Amino acid sequence: AQSVAQPEDQVNVAEGNPLTVKCTYSVSGNPYLFWYVQYPNRGLQFLLKYITGDNLVKGSYGFEAEFNKSQTSFHLKKPSALVSDSALYFCAVRDIGTDKLIFGTGTRLQVFP
Amino acid sequence: DTAVSQTPKYLVTQMGNDKSIKCEQNLGHDTMYWYKQDSKKFLKIMFSYNNKELIINETVPNRFSPKSPDKAHLNLHINSLELGDSAVYFCASRGTGEFRGKLFFGSGTQLSVL
Repeated sequence: AQSVAQPEDQVNVAEGNPLTVKCTYSVSGNPYLFWYVQYPNRGLQFLLKYITGDNLVKGSYGFEAEFNKSQTSFHLKKPSALVSDSALYFCAVRDIGTDKLIFGTGTRLQVFP
Repeated sequence: DTAVSQTPKYLVTQMGNDKSIKCEQNLGHDTMYWYKQDSKKFLKIMFSYNNKELIINETVPNRFSPKSPDKAHLNLHINSLELGDSAVYFCASRGTGEFRGKLFFGSGTQLSVL
């Protein structure tokens, strides 16, 4: 079965510093990976996806994610964090067999001024 | 202009009642979902419909019954509400082609069962 794991419940970073939110995956076959963000009292919003091609995927709001096949990771990154980036971030994988999106447990990102 | 809209935003009710949550998308998507987010923010898929037909039912109790009158609407009816049903319920629709797998979410319905 396809799954993703987010090992950190919370990540704290100072504004202006680089940030990384970790995600590892377990899939049979080629992975279809996604990052979503959830701001307070809102639904999830798509940030970026990896299907094939370049290992570095660029997404919305200056975020990018690095696909690493040998480490089965898909970490979300941003060179310079903003206070407004504070939110809940979900990694997800598409289960090809059932065509459903399976989400990780979420990581709360807190960016301090 | 909201792409995926769900109503109501908040729902407070007593145990044993029956309630419905409505969802509509104006994106022309064929596939719609209901997700449940619990108090720990875990997101779990409940149902998936494609063009009004049920595709996925993730062992959700029979008290939950989705209804899709057309492909733009997916409503969720819950009978005999229980305390454990308290959660935020999200409706979503899915893009196609290059955006297959990209979900568009509604803003959620916070259900509180007292």
